[in-house]
Amino acid sequence: KAGVTQTPRYLIKTRGQQVTLSCSPISGHRSVSWYQQTPGQGLQFLFEYFSETQRNKGNFPGRFSGRQFSNSRSEMNVSTLELGDSALYLCASSLGSSGLTGELFFGEGSRLTVL
Amino acid sequence: DAKTTQPPSMDCAEGRAANLPCNHSTISGNEYVYWYRQIHSQGPQYIIHGLKNNETNEMASLIITEDRKSSTLILPHATLRDTAVYYCIVRVMSSNDYKLSFGAGTTVTVRA
Repeated sequence: KAGVTQTPRYLIKTRGQQVTLSCSPISGHRSVSWYQQTPGQGLQFLFEYFSETQRNKGNFPGRFSGRQFSNSRSEMNVSTLELGDSALYLCASSLGSSGLTGELFFGEGSRLTVL
Repeated sequence: DAKTTQPPSMDCAEGRAANLPCNHSTISGNEYVYWYRQIHSQGPQYIIHGLKNNETNEMASLIITEDRKSSTLILPHATLRDTAVYYCIVRVMSSNDYKLSFGAGTTVTVRA
């Protein structure tokens, strides 16, 4: 069974640009969550999508957005990039709504560098 | 979610049991204890979770004290591949409001 796939794995952007990251969950999983990981702040919850609906959102500015498609694949977008957005962005999928189970399956992450 | 406290780091000899403590003194009756680990440059990996009873799976055992204010993750026979950051998390099982709050974790180094 294929795991969670995130693309791209690495990317470099400059301040002010926008970026879109993609996540394909494990087949049959309907929930996708996104996390940001930085050395200073650790792992922080961004948002969760279940059946194309955002179920919960962390404390991030509106520049961070996401969506989920009918096939459960998810994308997150960061607009007007800032230096502080440089981080590893992790996607996790779960079988049901993540509110019902804490067993998440994480991808390898997309490492974003903002110059 | 309740706050957890873990030691920042610990060493373990290969082949020996590794006992990772976690304090969660403010845990509520409906909050579960979860353990994840993150090996360098990879996404976190689920290990085990529990509510009141001790739990065991193929990876580890989870011992929760009777008052539920602390727990211990036990890796029975540590290998070099168990070197990772281990996160102890408590969370409410709610379908409406959830987020996993990862703290700083414990950096475990298994030495040959």
